[in-house]
Amino acid sequence: DGGITQSPKYLFRKEGQNVTLSCEQNLNHDAMYWYRQDPGQGLRLIYYSQIVNDFQKGDIAEGYSVSREKKESFPLTVTSAQKNPTAFYLCASRDRAALHFGNGTRLTVT
Amino acid sequence: AQKVTQAQTEISVVEKEDVTLDCVYETRDTTYYLFWYKQPPSGELVFLIRRNSFDEQNEISGRYSWNFQKSTSSFNFTITASQVVDSAVYFCALSELTNTGNQFYFGTGTSLTVIP
Repeated sequence: DGGITQSPKYLFRKEGQNVTLSCEQNLNHDAMYWYRQDPGQGLRLIYYSQIVNDFQKGDIAEGYSVSREKKESFPLTVTSAQKNPTAFYLCASRDRAALHFGNGTRLTVT
Repeated sequence: AQKVTQAQTEISVVEKEDVTLDCVYETRDTTYYLFWYKQPPSGELVFLIRRNSFDEQNEISGRYSWNFQKSTSSFNFTITASQVVDSAVYFCALSELTNTGNQFYFGTGTSLTVIP
C-alpha cells in the first residue's frame, strides 16, 4: 500500500546528542514537509522540500537540519542546538489535493 | 497574526448530538485552499476535505458537512449525530501558493470528546 512511513514511533535521547528521524514515502510525491506538534500549539513548520536536492526553512528551523537526496526520503536531524526538542514530529508529503501525513515520531530528550 | 483561528479549544458532546467546529481564516490571496484534518489518539492526521476559494458550495459526506463562507472568512465543520469514534483533535488549515511553493497554515486544533 502507498503511504508515508515514519520511524521509529518513539525515540529517547540524552541531551546533547543529535538524532535523526526517518520519513519515507512511496506515493511518488515531489513535495515533503516536516512539522512539529506541541500540546495546544497546533502544527509548526520546520522544513519543507518541493523537489529533490532542494529544501526551504519553515517557521522554526533553528536547531534542525534536513536532506533530500532521494524523492522518497526526507530525514530530519534534531541537533543539540535545538533548545527544546521534546515533541511530536510529523512528516507529510503533498499531492495536488492535500498534505498526507505519516504516523509521527514522539521524541523525548532528557 | 494567526492565519487560521480555531477558537474552540475543547468541546464535549453527548453521543448523537450535533456539533459544529469553527474555523476562521485570514488571507489576501484570491486563490487558496482550505482543509480539515482529524487527528485520532494514534497521532496520524487524516485528511477529511479540501475546498478551493472559488467553490462556496457546502458539502456533505455522510454525517460530516462543511460550510464555507467567504464573506465571513469561515470554514465550519459540522458532525451530525456524533459518535464516540468521532473523538479526536480536528485541525483546520489554509494553503496559499508562494514563490517557494505551497505553504500550509494550521489552526491550533479543537479537541472533541464524544461522551457515550
